[in-house]
Amino acid sequence: KAGVTQTPRYLIKTRGQQVTLSCSPISGHRSVSWYQQTPGQGLQFLFEYFSETQRNKGNFPGRFSGRQFSNSRSEMNVSTLELGDSALYLCASSSLSGANTDTQYFGPGTRLTVL
Amino acid sequence: AQSVTQPDIHITVSEGASLELRCNYSYGATPYLFWYVQSPGQGLQLLLKYFSGDTLVQGIKGFEAEFKRSQSSFNLRKPSVHWSDAAEYFCAVGAYAGKSTFGDGTTLTVKP
Repeated sequence: KAGVTQTPRYLIKTRGQQVTLSCSPISGHRSVSWYQQTPGQGLQFLFEYFSETQRNKGNFPGRFSGRQFSNSRSEMNVSTLELGDSALYLCASSSLSGANTDTQYFGPGTRLTVL
Repeated sequence: AQSVTQPDIHITVSEGASLELRCNYSYGATPYLFWYVQSPGQGLQLLLKYFSGDTLVQGIKGFEAEFKRSQSSFNLRKPSVHWSDAAEYFCAVGAYAGKSTFGDGTTLTVKP
């Protein structure tokens, strides 16, 4: 089974631009979560989508948004980029049973650099 | 609010020595706890998880962790460390896997 894939792997943008990152979950997984990882703030939860609906959202400004498609693929968008948005953005998928005990599988991440 | 504390930012052990990485959590209900490992330039890989039942959990790569409710701890252990274990380790807590709060991580260096 193929793992979680994220595209692109590396991205360089300038302040004020917007960016879209893509995540393809493991086949059959319907939950996709996004995390931001920075040296200063560590790993922070951005949001989670399940069956095209946002189930949970972390404490990030409205410039950070996401969506999930019917095939469970997910995108996240960051508008009006700031220098502080430079980070590794990680996507994770899980199949989610009713007991919510499933494992999260992480992709390799997208390294975003904002200049 | 939930939180995770990993008191040790960096740990160095000799190859073959035992390892214990500490994790303390704060959570308002029964916690789901996880340990992940991240190698440079890679995503995170789940080592083990605890939801309920036996408080000693076995994971991959020879790792185990013990849940101690009275101490709000979930420490990770390995009896004999290999050079390939050098990486960053993250403890996480949450209502379920998809919405986890992570600790700041512990970087493990293995001396030959």
